[in-house]
Amino acid sequence: DAGVTQSPTHLIKTRGQHVTLRCSPISGHKSVSWYQQVLGQGPQFIFQYYEKEERGRGNFPDRFSARQFPNYSSELNVNALLLGDSALYLCASSLDLGRRLLGYTFGSGTRLTVV
Amino acid sequence: SQKIEQNSEALNIQEGKTATLTCNYTNYSPAYLQWYRQDPGRGPVFLLLIRENEKEKRKERLKVTFDTTLKQSLFHITASQPADSATYLCALDGGSARQLTFGSGTQLTVLP
Repeated sequence: DAGVTQSPTHLIKTRGQHVTLRCSPISGHKSVSWYQQVLGQGPQFIFQYYEKEERGRGNFPDRFSARQFPNYSSELNVNALLLGDSALYLCASSLDLGRRLLGYTFGSGTRLTVV
Repeated sequence: SQKIEQNSEALNIQEGKTATLTCNYTNYSPAYLQWYRQDPGRGPVFLLLIRENEKEKRKERLKVTFDTTLKQSLFHITASQPADSATYLCALDGGSARQLTFGSGTQLTVLP
């Protein structure tokens, strides 16, 4: 079975640009969460989606948005990029909101560099 | 505000010894506490979960304890091996199933 798939793996953007990151969860998983991990720190929660609805939002500016599609894949969009947005963006999937006993399965992430 | 601290950014131990990693938290009442392993350039990998009403959980060479009075979790790797070298993250789950709050991690190096 394929794990959580994220694309692209790396990208470089210029300040002020917009970026779209994509995530395909494990087959059968209906919940997708996005995390930002700055070098040397732990992941920080951005969004959680379940059944195409936003179920949680972290302390990030409105420049960050996301959505989930009928096939449960998800996109994270970041507008007006800042240098501080440079980070590893992680997607995590789980069966549903309550099946936490199995933990979350993370993708390998998208490394975003803003120059 | 909520705060999670993991002991020392880096821990070096000799192969075969037991590694003990600490996770302390304040201003938080987690229903669950999870431990993850993260290798460079990869996403975290789930290892163990312990509930607030459990004192200890084991899985093969791994053991986790959870003391809600001390607000502390200890993560032990017995008979450590160089392949155990990685960054270990603790994560708190408040029970609302909305998000995990991660510590900054401890980088463990097991020396042969």
